Amino acid sequence: RKEVEQDPGPFNVPEGATVAFNCTYSNSASQSFFWYRQDCRKEPKLLMSVYSSGNEDGRFTAQLNRASQYISLLIRDSKLSDSATYLCVVNLYNQGGKLIFGQGTELSVKP
Amino acid sequence: DAGVIQSPRHEVTEMGQEVTLRCKLISGHNSLFWYRQTMMRGLELLIYFNNNVPIDDSGMPEDRFSAKMPNASFSTLKIQPSEPRDSAVYFCASSLTQGRETQYFGPGTRLLVL
Repeated sequence: RKEVEQDPGPFNVPEGATVAFNCTYSNSASQSFFWYRQDCRKEPKLLMSVYSSGNEDGRFTAQLNRASQYISLLIRDSKLSDSATYLCVVNLYNQGGKLIFGQGTELSVKP
Repeated sequence: DAGVIQSPRHEVTEMGQEVTLRCKLISGHNSLFWYRQTMMRGLELLIYFNNNVPIDDSGMPEDRFSAKMPNASFSTLKIQPSEPRDSAVYFCASSLTQGRETQYFGPGTRLLVL
């Protein structure tokens, strides 16, 4: 079983749609959580950290459920510029702060 | 402020040749990570350093791969001899410290081994 598993993509949605990505992690020692965004042929960039209480950044909302070892990302009112691959990432403090990346979910927002 | 700098950006080489990838950290960062990304395996951590010391190299595929950090701001990843299955995008990332800090990725080196 992979340490971080994400919804298989791709997600094809129209502009303005709401889309949700899910992610599960297997290591209960995971201490911090992130969503990274990767544009085609570019490097991953931090989109947002994920906090236990849930957090929002504009149209983006991240949720964490430690009991279920589950992380989600919700994008509201999607824009063409949101088209990218979204990577779920966990940080393992008991392994020196190692980041483990999910395979990523591809999002394509169409006009 | 300059981000993480990687060179070369693209490398095409023949099987058996030595390949050296280079990375310059963001000034003031103490941790350096080397990743490899392929379609099949996604983004994999190869090795990381903290304060120039290798902390975890369990992701290095085999003895053909080696990484060094000769000073606080620079690292190399060497593949010798290279094989076609090494073809991938190699990213370097740095962070202020290991742990909770955000990792900032370089633009990557696209390696093709023929």
